[in-house]
Amino acid sequence: QQQVKQSPQSLIVQKGGIPIINCAYENTAFDYFPWYQQFPGKGPALLIAIRPDVSEKKEGRFTISFNKSAKQFSLHIMDSQPGDSATYFCAASPTYSGAGSYQLTFGKGTKLSVIP
Amino acid sequence: DAGVTQSPTHLIKTRGQQVTLRCSPISGHKSVSWYQQVLGQGPQFIFQYYEKEERGRGNFPDRFSARQFPNYSSELNVNALLLGDSALYLCASSLRTGSTSSYNEQFFGPGTRLTVL
Repeated sequence: QQQVKQSPQSLIVQKGGIPIINCAYENTAFDYFPWYQQFPGKGPALLIAIRPDVSEKKEGRFTISFNKSAKQFSLHIMDSQPGDSATYFCAASPTYSGAGSYQLTFGKGTKLSVIP
Repeated sequence: DAGVTQSPTHLIKTRGQQVTLRCSPISGHKSVSWYQQVLGQGPQFIFQYYEKEERGRGNFPDRFSARQFPNYSSELNVNALLLGDSALYLCASSLRTGSTSSYNEQFFGPGTRLTVL
């Protein structure tokens, strides 16, 4: 029940294309859904995050779509560039007040290649 | 502002040895979490500390331990190293206070690459 399932495992798009990465979760206690970008040899960098009270969030070329009833969310990258080539991870966590933990549960990652 | 810093960058150990990894959070952040990332996988949660107390622990053996200091920096210790402990160890810091929108945000450091031979 703690899993976050991510697909596809890898993705190749042409420059200017719109790659879409999908994630699904089962734990209804999750209420925070971030996406991270990771380049080889680096730590994950927070890209954008969403909470279930909205169905879509945009930041620059990155958009998260969220479907609470289906327990699914996705990342769209508009006008993709070769510099976007990286591994993308979705994650989820609950929000506890007080003394609890809110660790992130990550998907297995999607390796994106944007071809010039 | 400086981000999350971790030391050392790389480390090579042999089986059975012990290792200590260090993390300094973003200034003002009081919570530190540790994650293990095996090559080709997503990070796996190990520990979370807030105000020097353990607030969460992932599914890792007792060979893994951690602590947080009064300045909110943290150490992760791994005893009796196994080949399977080879991974990128990531530290993440978070504010864990303030507005709901920023409460959960976790910012990662560059990691420590541990190789066990």
